[in-house]
Amino acid sequence: GENVEQHPSTLSVQEGDSAVIKCTYSDSASNYFPWYKQELGKRPQLIIDIRSNVGEKKDQRIAVTLNKTAKHFSLHITETQPEDSAVYFCAATLLSGGYNKLIFGAGTRLAVHP
Amino acid sequence: DVKVTQSSRYLVKRTGEKVFLECVQDMDHENMFWYRQDPGLGLRLIYFSYDVKMKEKGDIPEGYSVSREKKERFSLILESASTNQTSMYLCASSPGNGELFFGEGSRLTVL
Repeated sequence: GENVEQHPSTLSVQEGDSAVIKCTYSDSASNYFPWYKQELGKRPQLIIDIRSNVGEKKDQRIAVTLNKTAKHFSLHITETQPEDSAVYFCAATLLSGGYNKLIFGAGTRLAVHP
Repeated sequence: DVKVTQSSRYLVKRTGEKVFLECVQDMDHENMFWYRQDPGLGLRLIYFSYDVKMKEKGDIPEGYSVSREKKERFSLILESASTNQTSMYLCASSPGNGELFFGEGSRLTVL
Protein backbone atom coordinates (compact mmCIF):
# COMPACT_ATOMS: atom_id res chain seq x y z
CA GLY A 1 0.00 0.00 0.00
CA GLU A 2 0.85 3.68 -0.10
CA ASN A 3 3.34 5.12 2.40
CA VAL A 4 3.96 8.87 2.79
CA GLU A 5 6.95 10.37 4.56
CA GLN A 6 7.02 14.04 5.54
CA HIS A 7 9.89 16.32 6.59
CA PRO A 8 10.68 18.23 8.68
CA SER A 9 8.56 17.37 11.70
CA THR A 10 8.95 20.89 13.07
CA LEU A 11 9.82 24.14 11.33
CA SER A 12 10.38 27.54 12.86
CA VAL A 13 10.63 30.69 10.70
CA GLN A 14 10.54 34.44 11.11
CA GLU A 15 7.55 36.33 9.82
CA GLY A 16 8.09 37.19 6.17
CA ASP A 17 10.42 34.25 5.50
CA SER A 18 9.52 31.31 3.26
CA ALA A 19 8.72 27.81 4.51
CA VAL A 20 9.10 24.55 2.60
CA ILE A 21 7.71 21.17 3.62
CA LYS A 22 8.62 18.03 1.68
CA CYS A 23 6.87 14.69 1.23
CA THR A 24 7.73 11.48 -0.55
CA TYR A 25 5.31 8.72 -1.53
CA SER A 26 5.85 5.09 -2.39
CA ASP A 27 3.04 4.10 -4.78
CA SER A 28 3.75 5.27 -8.32
CA ALA A 29 0.03 4.82 -9.14
CA SER A 30 -0.96 7.69 -6.80
CA ASN A 31 -2.33 10.64 -8.75
CA TYR A 32 -3.71 13.08 -6.20
CA PHE A 33 -1.69 14.97 -3.58
CA PRO A 34 -3.48 17.33 -1.18
CA TRP A 35 -2.18 19.42 1.70
CA TYR A 36 -4.18 19.99 4.87
CA LYS A 37 -3.72 22.63 7.54
CA GLN A 38 -4.74 22.01 11.14
CA GLU A 39 -4.77 24.96 13.49
CA LEU A 40 -4.58 24.31 17.21
CA GLY A 41 -7.79 22.70 18.45
CA LYS A 42 -9.38 22.75 15.01
CA ARG A 43 -10.13 20.16 12.35
CA PRO A 44 -7.79 19.65 9.35
CA GLN A 45 -8.82 21.62 6.27
CA LEU A 46 -7.71 21.36 2.66
CA ILE A 47 -5.54 24.28 1.58
CA ILE A 48 -4.23 23.18 -1.81
CA ASP A 49 -3.97 20.04 -3.93
CA ILE A 50 -2.26 18.88 -7.09
CA ARG A 51 -2.93 16.10 -9.55
CA SER A 52 -0.29 14.05 -11.29
CA ASN A 53 -0.82 15.67 -14.67
CA VAL A 54 0.41 19.01 -13.29
CA GLY A 55 3.90 19.91 -12.08
CA GLU A 56 3.09 23.01 -10.05
CA LYS A 57 0.07 24.82 -8.66
CA LYS A 58 -0.09 28.16 -6.92
CA ASP A 59 -2.73 29.92 -4.81
CA GLN A 60 -1.66 33.32 -3.53
CA ARG A 61 1.15 32.71 -1.02
CA ILE A 62 1.09 28.94 -1.18
CA ALA A 63 2.31 26.66 -3.94
CA VAL A 64 2.78 22.95 -4.40
CA THR A 65 5.27 21.24 -6.71
CA LEU A 66 5.24 17.61 -7.80
CA ASN A 67 8.08 15.48 -9.16
CA LYS A 68 6.51 12.21 -10.33
CA THR A 69 9.81 10.66 -11.34
CA ALA A 70 11.28 11.13 -7.89
CA LYS A 71 7.90 10.54 -6.19
CA HIS A 72 8.04 13.65 -4.09
CA PHE A 73 6.00 16.80 -3.67
CA SER A 74 6.50 19.96 -1.66
CA LEU A 75 4.50 22.78 -0.10
CA HIS A 76 5.93 26.29 -0.36
CA ILE A 77 4.63 29.17 1.74
CA THR A 78 6.02 32.62 0.95
CA GLU A 79 5.87 35.76 3.08
CA THR A 80 4.83 33.75 6.11
CA GLN A 81 2.51 35.33 8.67
CA PRO A 82 1.76 34.35 12.29
CA GLU A 83 -1.61 32.93 11.20
CA ASP A 84 0.27 30.38 9.08
CA SER A 85 1.34 28.73 12.35
CA ALA A 86 -0.29 25.28 12.34
CA VAL A 87 0.34 21.62 11.65
CA TYR A 88 0.49 20.80 7.95
CA PHE A 89 -0.20 17.33 6.58
CA CYS A 90 0.56 16.04 3.11
CA ALA A 91 -1.33 13.07 1.67
CA ALA A 92 -1.44 10.86 -1.40
CA THR A 93 -3.96 8.61 -3.06
CA LEU A 94 -5.08 7.05 -6.30
CA LEU A 95 -8.28 8.80 -7.30
CA SER A 96 -10.34 6.32 -9.27
CA GLY A 97 -14.04 6.03 -10.02
CA GLY A 98 -15.11 8.39 -7.26
CA TYR A 99 -13.24 6.52 -4.58
CA ASN A 100 -10.39 7.95 -2.58
CA LYS A 101 -8.43 6.67 0.39
CA LEU A 102 -6.00 9.32 1.58
CA ILE A 103 -2.79 8.24 3.27
CA PHE A 104 -1.25 11.04 5.30
CA GLY A 105 2.26 11.98 6.29
CA ALA A 106 3.17 12.43 9.96
CA GLY A 107 2.73 16.20 9.85
CA THR A 108 4.92 19.32 10.16
CA ARG A 109 4.43 21.78 12.98
CA LEU A 110 5.14 25.24 11.56
CA ALA A 111 5.78 28.13 13.92
CA VAL A 112 5.96 31.65 12.48
CA HIS A 113 7.51 34.13 14.88
CA PRO A 114 6.66 37.85 14.64
CA ASP B 1 -21.48 24.26 3.91
CA VAL B 2 -20.49 20.67 4.60
CA LYS B 3 -21.07 19.59 8.13
CA VAL B 4 -19.53 16.51 9.72
CA THR B 5 -20.61 16.04 13.30
CA GLN B 6 -19.03 13.74 15.82
CA SER B 7 -21.25 12.91 18.75
CA SER B 8 -18.73 13.28 21.57
CA ARG B 9 -15.81 15.71 21.82
CA TYR B 10 -14.36 14.14 24.96
CA LEU B 11 -14.81 10.65 26.42
CA VAL B 12 -13.22 8.87 29.35
CA LYS B 13 -13.65 5.10 29.46
CA ARG B 14 -12.22 2.21 31.44
CA THR B 15 -10.18 -0.66 30.04
CA GLY B 16 -12.45 -3.37 28.67
CA GLU B 17 -15.45 -1.12 28.08
CA LYS B 18 -17.23 -1.05 24.71
CA VAL B 19 -17.00 2.36 23.10
CA PHE B 20 -19.13 3.82 20.32
CA LEU B 21 -18.03 6.89 18.35
CA GLU B 22 -20.71 8.30 16.11
CA CYS B 23 -20.28 10.44 13.00
CA VAL B 24 -22.97 12.06 10.86
CA GLN B 25 -22.55 14.03 7.63
CA ASP B 26 -25.20 16.12 5.93
CA MET B 27 -23.89 16.32 2.36
CA ASP B 28 -24.99 12.96 0.96
CA HIS B 29 -21.35 11.89 0.54
CA GLU B 30 -20.71 8.31 -0.50
CA ASN B 31 -17.32 8.01 1.20
CA MET B 32 -16.71 8.12 4.93
CA PHE B 33 -13.56 7.52 6.94
CA TRP B 34 -12.26 7.08 10.46
CA TYR B 35 -8.74 8.27 11.24
CA ARG B 36 -6.75 8.22 14.42
CA GLN B 37 -4.44 11.17 15.18
CA ASP B 38 -1.42 10.78 17.45
CA PRO B 39 1.51 13.21 17.88
CA GLY B 40 4.35 12.36 15.52
CA LEU B 41 2.30 9.73 13.70
CA GLY B 42 -0.06 11.94 11.74
CA LEU B 43 -3.46 10.72 10.65
CA ARG B 44 -3.72 6.95 10.35
CA LEU B 45 -6.64 5.34 8.55
CA ILE B 46 -8.62 2.85 10.65
CA TYR B 47 -11.61 1.98 8.44
CA PHE B 48 -13.46 3.48 5.52
CA SER B 49 -16.72 2.98 3.68
CA TYR B 50 -17.72 3.71 0.10
CA ASP B 51 -21.40 2.82 0.50
CA VAL B 52 -24.07 1.79 2.95
CA LYS B 53 -23.30 -1.52 4.68
CA MET B 54 -19.90 -1.56 3.00
CA LYS B 55 -16.62 -1.30 4.92
CA GLU B 56 -12.95 -1.69 4.17
CA LYS B 57 -9.98 -1.98 6.54
CA GLY B 58 -7.48 0.82 6.62
CA ASP B 59 -3.92 0.63 7.88
CA ILE B 60 -4.66 0.05 11.59
CA PRO B 61 -8.00 -1.81 11.94
CA GLU B 62 -6.99 -4.09 14.82
CA GLY B 63 -9.18 -3.58 17.87
CA TYR B 64 -11.80 -1.60 15.94
CA SER B 65 -14.94 -2.29 13.96
CA VAL B 66 -17.35 -0.03 12.10
CA SER B 67 -20.99 0.16 11.11
CA ARG B 68 -22.67 2.02 8.28
CA GLU B 69 -26.39 1.27 8.32
CA LYS B 70 -27.35 4.62 6.77
CA LYS B 71 -25.53 6.73 4.22
CA GLU B 72 -25.12 9.70 6.51
CA ARG B 73 -23.88 7.82 9.58
CA PHE B 74 -20.59 5.98 10.15
CA SER B 75 -19.85 4.55 13.58
CA LEU B 76 -16.54 3.41 15.03
CA ILE B 77 -16.69 0.71 17.68
CA LEU B 78 -14.02 -0.31 20.16
CA GLU B 79 -15.18 -3.74 21.32
CA SER B 80 -12.92 -3.78 24.40
CA ALA B 81 -11.10 -0.52 24.96
CA SER B 82 -7.42 -0.63 25.85
CA THR B 83 -5.08 2.10 27.08
CA ASN B 84 -3.21 2.14 23.75
CA GLN B 85 -6.43 3.29 22.10
CA THR B 86 -6.24 6.59 23.95
CA SER B 87 -6.16 9.05 21.08
CA MET B 88 -7.94 11.69 19.00
CA TYR B 89 -10.38 10.12 16.54
CA LEU B 90 -11.34 12.04 13.41
CA CYS B 91 -14.23 11.20 11.14
CA ALA B 92 -14.31 12.50 7.57
CA SER B 93 -16.55 12.35 4.55
CA SER B 94 -15.82 12.90 0.87
CA PRO B 95 -17.81 13.34 -2.33
CA GLY B 96 -15.23 11.21 -4.13
CA ASN B 97 -13.12 13.99 -5.63
CA GLY B 98 -10.32 13.52 -3.12
CA GLU B 99 -11.25 16.28 -0.68
CA LEU B 100 -11.99 15.19 2.88
CA PHE B 101 -14.28 17.10 5.20
CA PHE B 102 -13.39 16.38 8.80
CA GLY B 103 -15.40 16.45 11.98
CA GLU B 104 -14.08 18.24 15.05
CA GLY B 105 -12.69 15.06 16.54
CA SER B 106 -13.38 12.90 19.57
CA ARG B 107 -10.68 12.74 22.20
CA LEU B 108 -10.83 9.37 23.92
CA THR B 109 -9.01 8.57 27.14
CA VAL B 110 -8.93 4.92 28.27
CA LEU B 111 -7.99 4.44 31.92
